[in-house]
Amino acid sequence: QVQLVESGGGVVQPGRSLRLSCAASGFTFSSYNMHWVRQAPGKGLEWVAVIWYDGSNKYHADSVKGRFTISRDNSKNTLYLQMSGLRAEDTAVYYCARDQEDFDYWGQGALVTVSS
Amino acid sequence: DIQMTQSPSSLSASVGDRVTITCRASQGIRNYLAWFQQKPGKAPKSLIYGASTLQSGVPSKFSGSGSGTDFTLTISSLQPEDFATYYCQQYNSYPYTFGQGTILEIK
Repeated sequence: QVQLVESGGGVVQPGRSLRLSCAASGFTFSSYNMHWVRQAPGKGLEWVAVIWYDGSNKYHADSVKGRFTISRDNSKNTLYLQMSGLRAEDTAVYYCARDQEDFDYWGQGALVTVSS
Repeated sequence: DIQMTQSPSSLSASVGDRVTITCRASQGIRNYLAWFQQKPGKAPKSLIYGASTLQSGVPSKFSGSGSGTDFTLTISSLQPEDFATYYCQQYNSYPYTFGQGTILEIK
């Protein structure tokens, strides 16, 4: 069955960096575009970034552009989100999601807390 | 960016009721509209894509309609497990955007 498992979350100081991973299994990872979506505590969903199935195209939300970078390693069936210059407003649960027209499968989420 | 506006922001209903949530896009998105259900502490779950196509395994009590800028999600015969937060999302163009959410509460 399809599984997406995020890891790498934690507490980080403002200005520091963190890398999230999303391990995929149960499907042909290299055939799907993949996304990151985040949700600040008590708030709604915010799309963060997308990477095409072969890594050829990437798009990032303006709120993270220049600070976050989405990437993937199809040989390891893993999606990444490299986050730098973290701010308090980046505190959120970060979900990875598979793109099958819509987001048909989501991971359980990884909590990132930016605090001094 | 395309803005997605849901209404109402919250809704109280009883078991057995039928409810409708609306979603309006700030510009035309054809039928590239999805609906998600989220329960506290859980990841969102896909319900509908293409404005009206039910995701596999989702019961037929959920239905979606609309095209262009105006969309609706209807849930019939509410059961306790249906009380959750619902989000619409456009995937017509990047950046993909979500509505602010509709909290469906038990009356």
